[in-house]
Amino acid sequence: EPEVTQTPSHQVTQMGQEVILRCVPISNHLYFYWYRQILGQKVEFLVSFYNNEISEKSEIFDDQFSVERPDGSNFTLKIRSTKLEDSAMYFCASSVGQGFKETQYFGPGTRLLVL
Amino acid sequence: DAKTTQPPSMDCAEGRAANLPCNHSTISGNEYVYWYRQIHSQGPQYIIHGLKNNETNEMASLIITEDRKSSTLILPHATLRDTAVYYCIVRVPGGYQKVTFGTGTKLQVIP
Repeated sequence: EPEVTQTPSHQVTQMGQEVILRCVPISNHLYFYWYRQILGQKVEFLVSFYNNEISEKSEIFDDQFSVERPDGSNFTLKIRSTKLEDSAMYFCASSVGQGFKETQYFGPGTRLLVL
Repeated sequence: DAKTTQPPSMDCAEGRAANLPCNHSTISGNEYVYWYRQIHSQGPQYIIHGLKNNETNEMASLIITEDRKSSTLILPHATLRDTAVYYCIVRVPGGYQKVTFGTGTKLQVIP
Protein backbone atom coordinates (compact mmCIF):
# COMPACT_ATOMS: atom_id res chain seq x y z
CA GLU A 1 0.00 0.00 0.00
CA PRO A 2 1.45 3.39 -0.96
CA GLU A 3 2.43 5.64 1.91
CA VAL A 4 3.88 9.04 2.65
CA THR A 5 7.53 8.93 3.69
CA GLN A 6 9.55 11.54 5.55
CA THR A 7 13.23 12.11 6.17
CA PRO A 8 14.98 12.46 8.47
CA SER A 9 13.08 10.80 11.28
CA HIS A 10 14.97 12.92 13.82
CA GLN A 11 16.80 16.21 13.43
CA VAL A 12 18.72 18.11 16.07
CA THR A 13 19.83 21.63 15.25
CA GLN A 14 21.14 24.75 16.89
CA MET A 15 18.94 27.80 17.26
CA GLY A 16 19.31 30.08 14.26
CA GLN A 17 20.25 27.30 11.86
CA GLU A 18 18.29 26.42 8.76
CA VAL A 19 16.63 23.03 8.48
CA ILE A 20 14.96 21.29 5.58
CA LEU A 21 12.45 18.54 6.22
CA ARG A 22 11.72 16.24 3.34
CA CYS A 23 8.65 14.31 2.32
CA VAL A 24 7.74 11.99 -0.52
CA PRO A 25 3.95 12.12 -0.96
CA ILE A 26 1.88 9.32 -2.44
CA SER A 27 2.61 9.31 -6.15
CA ASN A 28 -0.76 10.17 -7.68
CA HIS A 29 -1.67 12.75 -5.06
CA LEU A 30 -2.02 16.39 -5.98
CA TYR A 31 -2.36 18.21 -2.65
CA PHE A 32 0.39 18.35 -0.08
CA TYR A 33 0.43 19.57 3.49
CA TRP A 34 2.58 20.17 6.50
CA TYR A 35 1.34 19.93 10.05
CA ARG A 36 3.18 20.10 13.33
CA GLN A 37 2.63 18.84 16.84
CA ILE A 38 4.40 20.34 19.79
CA LEU A 39 4.89 17.77 22.55
CA GLY A 40 1.67 17.22 24.44
CA GLN A 41 -0.38 19.52 22.19
CA LYS A 42 -2.75 19.15 19.26
CA VAL A 43 -1.74 18.50 15.68
CA GLU A 44 -1.74 21.92 13.99
CA PHE A 45 -2.07 22.77 10.32
CA LEU A 46 0.79 24.76 8.81
CA VAL A 47 0.34 24.93 5.05
CA SER A 48 -1.27 23.33 2.04
CA PHE A 49 0.24 23.26 -1.45
CA TYR A 50 -1.34 22.60 -4.81
CA ASN A 51 -0.26 23.18 -8.38
CA ASN A 52 3.12 24.50 -7.26
CA GLU A 53 1.78 27.18 -5.00
CA ILE A 54 0.56 27.62 -1.47
CA SER A 55 -3.22 27.31 -1.30
CA GLU A 56 -3.62 28.01 2.41
CA LYS A 57 -1.35 28.74 5.34
CA SER A 58 -1.91 29.19 9.04
CA GLU A 59 -0.71 32.05 11.20
CA ILE A 60 2.09 29.78 12.39
CA PHE A 61 3.51 29.67 8.86
CA ASP A 62 5.37 32.98 8.92
CA ASP A 63 8.26 34.26 6.81
CA GLN A 64 10.65 31.82 8.46
CA PHE A 65 8.89 28.93 6.78
CA SER A 66 8.80 28.00 3.12
CA VAL A 67 7.71 25.00 1.10
CA GLU A 68 8.86 23.70 -2.22
CA ARG A 69 8.27 20.85 -4.59
CA PRO A 70 11.73 20.77 -6.17
CA ASP A 71 11.01 17.82 -8.43
CA GLY A 72 8.19 15.44 -9.26
CA SER A 73 8.41 13.46 -6.07
CA ASN A 74 9.72 15.49 -3.13
CA PHE A 75 7.97 18.09 -1.02
CA THR A 76 10.06 20.08 1.44
CA LEU A 77 9.55 22.35 4.42
CA LYS A 78 12.33 24.81 5.15
CA ILE A 79 12.72 26.70 8.38
CA ARG A 80 15.18 29.50 7.74
CA SER A 81 16.31 30.40 11.23
CA THR A 82 15.09 27.93 13.80
CA LYS A 83 13.84 28.99 17.21
CA LEU A 84 13.51 26.94 20.38
CA GLU A 85 9.74 26.97 19.94
CA ASP A 86 10.04 25.25 16.56
CA SER A 87 10.85 22.03 18.39
CA ALA A 88 8.02 19.68 17.44
CA MET A 89 6.99 16.70 15.34
CA TYR A 90 6.42 17.75 11.75
CA PHE A 91 4.04 15.69 9.67
CA CYS A 92 3.68 15.75 5.93
CA ALA A 93 0.41 14.66 4.36
CA SER A 94 -0.94 14.24 0.87
CA SER A 95 -4.32 13.87 -0.76
CA VAL A 96 -5.66 12.99 -4.16
CA GLY A 97 -7.77 16.08 -3.72
CA GLN A 98 -11.07 15.29 -5.35
CA GLY A 99 -14.20 13.28 -4.71
CA PHE A 100 -16.22 12.33 -1.69
CA LYS A 101 -13.68 9.62 -0.83
CA GLU A 102 -10.95 12.24 -0.44
CA THR A 103 -8.85 12.08 2.67
CA GLN A 104 -5.37 13.04 3.74
CA TYR A 105 -2.69 10.45 4.41
CA PHE A 106 0.03 11.35 6.87
CA GLY A 107 3.67 10.42 7.03
CA PRO A 108 5.45 9.13 10.14
CA GLY A 109 6.85 12.54 11.01
CA THR A 110 10.18 14.22 11.65
CA ARG A 111 11.04 15.02 15.23
CA LEU A 112 12.83 18.37 15.26
CA LEU A 113 14.73 19.45 18.33
CA VAL A 114 16.14 22.97 18.43
CA LEU A 115 18.81 23.58 21.06
CA ASP B 1 -15.07 22.77 10.24
CA ALA B 2 -17.81 22.06 12.74
CA LYS B 3 -16.76 21.32 16.29
CA THR B 4 -16.85 17.86 17.78
CA THR B 5 -17.05 16.65 21.36
CA GLN B 6 -15.37 13.45 22.48
CA PRO B 7 -14.69 11.95 25.90
CA PRO B 8 -11.07 12.55 26.88
CA SER B 9 -10.36 8.92 27.66
CA MET B 10 -11.79 5.41 27.55
CA ASP B 11 -10.68 1.93 28.48
CA CYS B 12 -11.49 -1.26 26.63
CA ALA B 13 -10.64 -4.87 27.38
CA GLU B 14 -8.55 -6.64 24.78
CA GLY B 15 -10.72 -8.67 22.41
CA ARG B 16 -13.85 -6.69 23.18
CA ALA B 17 -15.46 -4.10 20.95
CA ALA B 18 -14.38 -0.52 21.52
CA ASN B 19 -17.17 2.00 20.94
CA LEU B 20 -15.93 5.57 20.69
CA PRO B 21 -18.63 8.25 20.68
CA CYS B 22 -18.54 11.67 19.08
CA ASN B 23 -21.03 14.54 19.14
CA HIS B 24 -21.20 16.94 16.23
CA SER B 25 -24.50 18.71 16.66
CA THR B 26 -23.60 21.63 14.36
CA ILE B 27 -22.54 19.51 11.40
CA SER B 28 -23.49 20.96 8.02
CA GLY B 29 -25.22 19.04 5.27
CA ASN B 30 -22.10 18.70 3.14
CA GLU B 31 -19.72 17.77 5.96
CA TYR B 32 -18.55 14.22 6.44
CA VAL B 33 -17.53 12.55 9.68
CA TYR B 34 -13.90 11.45 9.60
CA TRP B 35 -11.98 9.38 12.11
CA TYR B 36 -8.24 9.36 12.48
CA ARG B 37 -6.05 7.88 15.17
CA GLN B 38 -2.58 8.63 16.40
CA ILE B 39 -0.53 5.94 18.01
CA HIS B 40 2.07 7.41 20.32
CA SER B 41 4.61 9.59 18.46
CA GLN B 42 3.41 8.43 15.06
CA GLY B 43 1.62 10.28 12.28
CA PRO B 44 -2.17 10.45 12.29
CA GLN B 45 -3.67 7.45 10.55
CA TYR B 46 -6.89 7.64 8.58
CA ILE B 47 -9.49 5.12 9.71
CA ILE B 48 -12.83 5.76 8.05
CA HIS B 49 -15.29 8.44 7.03
CA GLY B 50 -18.92 8.74 6.07
CA LEU B 51 -21.75 11.14 5.29
CA LYS B 52 -24.90 9.57 6.65
CA ASN B 53 -24.90 5.87 5.96
CA ASN B 54 -23.07 3.44 8.16
CA GLU B 55 -19.65 2.54 6.84
CA THR B 56 -17.39 -0.41 7.41
CA ASN B 57 -13.88 -1.20 6.33
CA GLU B 58 -11.15 -3.57 7.42
CA MET B 59 -10.27 -1.40 10.39
CA ALA B 60 -13.57 -0.25 11.86
CA SER B 61 -17.25 0.53 11.50
CA LEU B 62 -18.78 3.98 11.63
CA ILE B 63 -22.33 4.42 12.83
CA ILE B 64 -23.89 7.84 12.19
CA THR B 65 -27.23 8.71 13.75
CA GLU B 66 -30.11 9.58 11.47
CA ASP B 67 -30.02 13.25 12.48
CA ARG B 68 -26.22 13.20 11.92
CA LYS B 69 -25.61 14.92 15.23
CA SER B 70 -23.53 12.11 16.64
CA SER B 71 -21.57 9.07 15.58
CA THR B 72 -19.78 6.06 16.99
CA LEU B 73 -16.57 4.46 15.82
CA ILE B 74 -16.51 0.74 16.52
CA LEU B 75 -13.34 -1.32 16.67
CA PRO B 76 -14.87 -4.81 16.70
CA HIS B 77 -12.08 -6.71 18.49
CA ALA B 78 -9.70 -4.29 20.14
CA THR B 79 -6.05 -5.29 20.44
CA LEU B 80 -3.23 -3.72 22.43
CA ARG B 81 -2.04 -2.11 19.19
CA ASP B 82 -5.29 -0.14 19.04
CA THR B 83 -4.19 1.91 22.05
CA ALA B 84 -4.08 5.42 20.60
CA VAL B 85 -5.72 8.82 20.54
CA TYR B 86 -8.79 8.76 18.30
CA TYR B 87 -9.92 11.94 16.59
CA CYS B 88 -13.41 12.58 15.29
CA ILE B 89 -13.37 15.37 12.71
CA VAL B 90 -16.09 16.83 10.54
CA ARG B 91 -15.02 18.35 7.27
CA VAL B 92 -15.98 18.70 3.65
CA PRO B 93 -13.97 16.32 1.46
CA GLY B 94 -11.55 18.13 -0.79
CA GLY B 95 -7.86 18.73 -1.10
CA TYR B 96 -8.28 22.41 -0.31
CA GLN B 97 -9.72 21.54 3.12
CA LYS B 98 -7.25 21.18 5.94
CA VAL B 99 -7.82 18.69 8.74
CA THR B 100 -8.45 20.37 12.08
CA PHE B 101 -7.56 18.11 14.98
CA GLY B 102 -9.06 18.42 18.44
CA THR B 103 -7.87 16.66 21.55
CA GLY B 104 -9.55 13.34 20.73
CA THR B 105 -10.23 10.32 22.93
CA LYS B 106 -7.32 8.46 24.44
CA LEU B 107 -8.27 4.79 24.13
CA GLN B 108 -6.40 2.42 26.40
CA VAL B 109 -6.80 -1.26 25.55
CA ILE B 110 -6.23 -3.33 28.65
CA PRO B 111 -4.91 -6.93 28.54
